[in-house]
Amino acid sequence: DTAVSQTPKYLVTQMGNDKSIKCEQNLGHDTMYWYKQDSKKFLKIMFSYNNKELIINETVPNRFSPKSPDKAHLNLHINSLELGDSAVYFCASSQGVGEVKIYEQYFGPGTRLTVT
Amino acid sequence: SQQGEEDPQALSIQEGENATMNCSYKTSINNLQWYRQNSGRGLVHLILIRSNEREKHSGRLRVTLDTSKKSSSLLITASRAADTASYFCATSTGANNLFFGTGTRLTVIP
Repeated sequence: DTAVSQTPKYLVTQMGNDKSIKCEQNLGHDTMYWYKQDSKKFLKIMFSYNNKELIINETVPNRFSPKSPDKAHLNLHINSLELGDSAVYFCASSQGVGEVKIYEQYFGPGTRLTVT
Repeated sequence: SQQGEEDPQALSIQEGENATMNCSYKTSINNLQWYRQNSGRGLVHLILIRSNEREKHSGRLRVTLDTSKKSSSLLITASRAADTASYFCATSTGANNLFFGTGTRLTVIP
């Protein structure tokens, strides 16, 4: 069974379009994340949600809006896509609170977004 | 910036040799983690070392941490072709955040 899954795996779209990437985890974790990995493999956190509440919001354009309908899902919606948004986007999860805090993060397979 | 930096950026070795990768960071940490990323895949957690630990082992992996120098190293012993991947260190202050380094691309030649 896949622990952290993302859809779609590949996304090719034109500038100006709006697109969404979905993420689901079946690990029972309470914290989920979105990361962006650029062409140089640099991985940077974008957002973090704990129990459906936003706890980290790094310097990300407000065209990016995360939505967490429940603690097992964290979706990423991107408005008015730009060429610079082309990257691989990774979802991850961990157990962020409670007596046993698990710092390790479990990553999804990634969504390669290409904006043309 | 809390981003770590790995050294070297790329490493190529023969199967059976040991591979050592280094990571330097800038701020105080709660723990430091190492992850592996195979080409086109997500990251996989390898090992975590807490700030009060100096060395940790897991199978063929050995991690050291020197908080006075703000550095860590990952040693993979008796490397295999399947170890070919990018390796990232990531630091945590204990909150729900990880700051990743720039990665070391390891190639193990059969």
